Amino acid sequence: KQEVTQIPAALSVPEGENLVLNCSFTDSAIYNLQWFRQDPGKGLTSLLLIQSSQREQTSGRLNASLDKSSGRSTLYIAASQPGDSATYLCAVRTGGSQGNLIFGKGTKLSVKP
Amino acid sequence: DAGVIQSPRHEVTEMGQEVTLRCKPISGHNSLFWYRQTMMRGLELLIYFNNNVPIDDSGMPEDRFSAKMPNASFSTLKIQPSEPRDSAVYFCASSLVGGAPTGELFFGEGSRLTVL
Repeated sequence: KQEVTQIPAALSVPEGENLVLNCSFTDSAIYNLQWFRQDPGKGLTSLLLIQSSQREQTSGRLNASLDKSSGRSTLYIAASQPGDSATYLCAVRTGGSQGNLIFGKGTKLSVKP
Repeated sequence: DAGVIQSPRHEVTEMGQEVTLRCKPISGHNSLFWYRQTMMRGLELLIYFNNNVPIDDSGMPEDRFSAKMPNASFSTLKIQPSEPRDSAVYFCASSLVGGAPTGELFFGEGSRLTVL
């Protein structure tokens, strides 16, 4: 059974710092991996999607990497800003293109001005 | 596109009452997911549909929960009778399978349910 773990559960950094959020999964047979952001009381916003054949994806100050063999993904945030404060969740899709997404419990990020 | 639309955004009801949550997926998407989020358990998949057909409902807690997708643009999640432990935020999400990028999931704003 696929399990997704995100460490740490919470992280506080000063503004301007570069940071890395971690995601690990137990079964490397994934179809894709997706990173989301969730603001309090809101839904999940898709940040980056990495297909199983890809190693990384970039969008602005965000870079996500995928290492299927080790069951790990990282989300790198450059030059963090207070507006980046949110909970970041990763999810892996198993069972092919029509399969389910399994979510981690998220990392709550706080960027202090 | 308006995105995934859920209603109601908030629902407060008494134990034993029937609750119906509604979802309109993004036009053209062919997969729809219902998730429940609580502080204790995080995001849990309840059920998902592909092309209006339920594929996996193993996450539905018990017979009190039922979900339907009568057409490609509408789905409901019903709880009857509701119990206090059902209090949570219920999210609907949709994706396009076979398109590009394949399988990217888009969420609605959620329906916050409180059962007294």
